[in-house]
Amino acid sequence: EDKVVQSPLSLVVHEGDTVTLNCSYEVTNFRSLLWYKQEKKAPTFLFMLTSSGIEKKSGRLSSILDKKELFSILNITATQTGDSAVYLCASTRGGGATNKLIFGTGTLLAVQP
Amino acid sequence: EAGVTQFPSHSVIEKGQTVTLRCDPISGHDNLYWYRRVMGKEIKFLLHFVKESKQDESGMPNNRFLAERTGGTYSTLKVQPAELEDSGVYFCASSPRTDTQYFGPGTRLTVL
Repeated sequence: EDKVVQSPLSLVVHEGDTVTLNCSYEVTNFRSLLWYKQEKKAPTFLFMLTSSGIEKKSGRLSSILDKKELFSILNITATQTGDSAVYLCASTRGGGATNKLIFGTGTLLAVQP
Repeated sequence: EAGVTQFPSHSVIEKGQTVTLRCDPISGHDNLYWYRRVMGKEIKFLLHFVKESKQDESGMPNNRFLAERTGGTYSTLKVQPAELEDSGVYFCASSPRTDTQYFGPGTRLTVL
């Protein structure tokens, strides 16, 4: 069965710290990996990764995919209290008609002032 | 551009009653997905529409759940009759042709 596993489950840091969130996957015919940030309501899209070794960057956030070792990381530098959220990792499969997302359980990040 | 909207934001019903959730996708997005998160678990796929056609409904838990997308615009998800284990947050997402899906705020369903 396809599986996406995130670690740690939760994390508490202080403002200014750098954090690394992990996502490993076992997905048949893997196609892409996506990161979302969920604060109160809707998960908001951060990155989509399809190729190994190519870093995607947006401000203080960056992410990279390793298709050989089957994992991705999300880095947040100089964390701020506004980064507090649940970070979700999800994968898609190729070869079929649907692009359904297979989610991990998420990492709850709390950034303290 | 308006995002994905869902209605209601929260619904509390008694076991055995019927509830209908609505999702309005981003205009022009042919793909519409329903997902559900039950307490303590990961978000799980329910079904996928392409325009008005059901592309994949492999995640629907049982025949108490009925999804429709008449005219290929908004979608409804009806639960009839609701059971306690149906409680959770129901998310809708839409996408154009890519893998990137844009989520609505969800409907929190509580079945008492």
